[in-house]
Amino acid sequence: GQQLNQSPQSMFIQEGEDVSMNCTSSSIFNTWLWYKQDPGEGPVLLIALYKAGELTSNGRLTAQFGITRKDSFLNISASIPSDVGIYFCAGQRRGTSYDKVIFGPGTSLSVIP
Amino acid sequence: DGGITQSPKYLFRKEGQNVTLSCEQNLNHDAMYWYRQDPGQGLRLIYYSQIVNDFQKGDIAEGYSVSREKKESFPLTVTSAQKNPTAFYLCASSIGRQSYEQYFGPGTRLTVT
Repeated sequence: GQQLNQSPQSMFIQEGEDVSMNCTSSSIFNTWLWYKQDPGEGPVLLIALYKAGELTSNGRLTAQFGITRKDSFLNISASIPSDVGIYFCAGQRRGTSYDKVIFGPGTSLSVIP
Repeated sequence: DGGITQSPKYLFRKEGQNVTLSCEQNLNHDAMYWYRQDPGQGLRLIYYSQIVNDFQKGDIAEGYSVSREKKESFPLTVTSAQKNPTAFYLCASSIGRQSYEQYFGPGTRLTVT
């Protein structure tokens, strides 16, 4: 069943606004990954997080590994039209083998010029 | 340029036919994965392979088969036993042990009528 929850499910924002989204679980995770998928394309890895409390930036994107290890957050500053897409979180859950990565259902982002 | 290629981008088949989707990588990655994506949903793991000549079932392996005869290649066969084969199929690879970062190909959209 679904083990990762993402919110919001979708969001519509004005160009230039900041965006915040999160990923939560009832289980503890050792690794959090954030991906962006453009329509009809494969997901692209944006940021990887490996330690609780870790804060990592990639350009206008910033992601954090939650202190409880059960959540992660992604922020996009000063959004632009090309930020449109679906953002997936993914994680490797504690107690599972290294190769089992679970994906969330995604947050769909629309940017209004 | 290193990367993952999937071919073809679009594939159409009649019900009852087996079809094989191609996935090739030149990243020298040990691990490869196949995911299925349905509209509005996250990624579901079909099969994965950590090393040549070895592979394991994922969460939704029924109706699918794979082979891993070469490090670079991990073809997926969608058999006639798969009840709802129409979907977007994504191949990914990762370095292998101790790495959870998966890199995706562009995907193949399969339509079965």
